[in-house]
Amino acid sequence: KAGVTQTPRYLIKTRGQQVTLSCSPISGHRSVSWYQQTPGQGLQFLFEYFSETQRNKGNFPGRFSGRQFSNSRSEMNVSTLELGDSALYLCASSTGSVWTEAFFGQGTRLTVV
Amino acid sequence: AQSVTQLDSQVPVFEEAPVELRCNYSSSVSVYLFWYVQYPNQGLQLLLKYLSGSTLVKSINGFEAEFNKSQTSFHLRKPSVHISDTAEYFCAVSEDRGSTLGRLYFGRGTQLTVWP
Repeated sequence: KAGVTQTPRYLIKTRGQQVTLSCSPISGHRSVSWYQQTPGQGLQFLFEYFSETQRNKGNFPGRFSGRQFSNSRSEMNVSTLELGDSALYLCASSTGSVWTEAFFGQGTRLTVV
Repeated sequence: AQSVTQLDSQVPVFEEAPVELRCNYSSSVSVYLFWYVQYPNQGLQLLLKYLSGSTLVKSINGFEAEFNKSQTSFHLRKPSVHISDTAEYFCAVSEDRGSTLGRLYFGRGTQLTVWP
């Protein structure tokens, strides 16, 4: 059974640019959540999509956005990048039920210079 | 909003010694509790979780955690650690929304280092 795939694994961008990260969940999973991990703030929830609808949203500025496609693959976009956006972005795939496990991808390491 | 406190940022121990990683949470509602482990350059892996029922939950690799509602704690323990247990451990909480998995609120993590 394939795991959660996040692409790319590493990314270097310049301030002011925008970036798109991709997450392919486990087959059959309809929920995809995104988290930002930084040494300073730890793990923070960005948003969750379930069956193409945003079901939950964290406290991040509007520069952070996401979407989910009909095949459950999800993308998150960050516009007008700032140095502080440098982080490991993790995606979690689940059925949406608390009774089954949420699986995390290996993450995308974004560095903004 | 939920708040999760992991009291120790670093815990060094020798191999075969017992270990306890502490986690406290603050919530005015019923919650689900989780422990995740993260190895270098990896994502998070679920170690164990408490949803309901017995307050003592166990993982397949010897870890256990006990939900204490009165103390709002969910400490992780292992009676004898191995070098391979070296990793960062995260405690997480989500609100009880029935069968729906809600957003996870994470603690800042505890780096467990096991020395030979």
